[in-house]
Amino acid sequence: EAGVTQSPTHLIKTRGQQATLRCSPISGHTSVYWYQQALGLGLQFLLWYDEGEERNRGNFPPRFSGRQFPNYSSELNVNALELEDSALYLCASARGGRASTKNIQYFGAGTRLSVL
Amino acid sequence: GESVGLHLPTLSVQEGDNSIINCAYSNSASDYFIWYKQESGKGPQFIIDIRSNMDKRQGQRVTVLLNKTVKHLSLQIAATQPGDSAVYFCAENAEGYQKVTFGTGTKLQVIP
Repeated sequence: EAGVTQSPTHLIKTRGQQATLRCSPISGHTSVYWYQQALGLGLQFLLWYDEGEERNRGNFPPRFSGRQFPNYSSELNVNALELEDSALYLCASARGGRASTKNIQYFGAGTRLSVL
Repeated sequence: GESVGLHLPTLSVQEGDNSIINCAYSNSASDYFIWYKQESGKGPQFIIDIRSNMDKRQGQRVTVLLNKTVKHLSLQIAATQPGDSAVYFCAENAEGYQKVTFGTGTKLQVIP
């Protein structure tokens, strides 16, 4: 069974551009979580989608947005990129529902975003 | 705000010895705790979890201890191996909190 897949592996953008990151969850999982991991730091919660709806978002500006598609895959969009957006962006999937945060999250390998 | 933190950013252990990674949490409402392992170039991987109605849970070579009185969590790895070298994160969730909060991580270095 395939795990969580993320694309692209690496993404290089310049300041002010937009970035789109993609995530495919494990089959049967309806919850998708996005995290930002800056170099040497922990995981900062960005967004949680479940059953196509945004359930929660972290303390990030509105230029960080996303969506979840009917097949439960997800996109993270970052507009007006800033240098400090350079980080590893991790996607995780879990069995869904309101108790999703009590379910084990399975992570992809991440997308390394570099903003020049 | 509420946070999950770690006492030691880096831990060096001799191969074959036991490792203990500690984590302090500040949200007294937290009732679910997870340990993840992140190897270089990979996403975090689930190791073991524990709910607040338990004090101890054992897995294969790993044991998680939960002390709710002092809000402390630890991960014990028996007979540490080179493959255990990674960054370890503790994470917590509280009932009603719509997210899982991760600590900053502890890097475990295994000395051959």
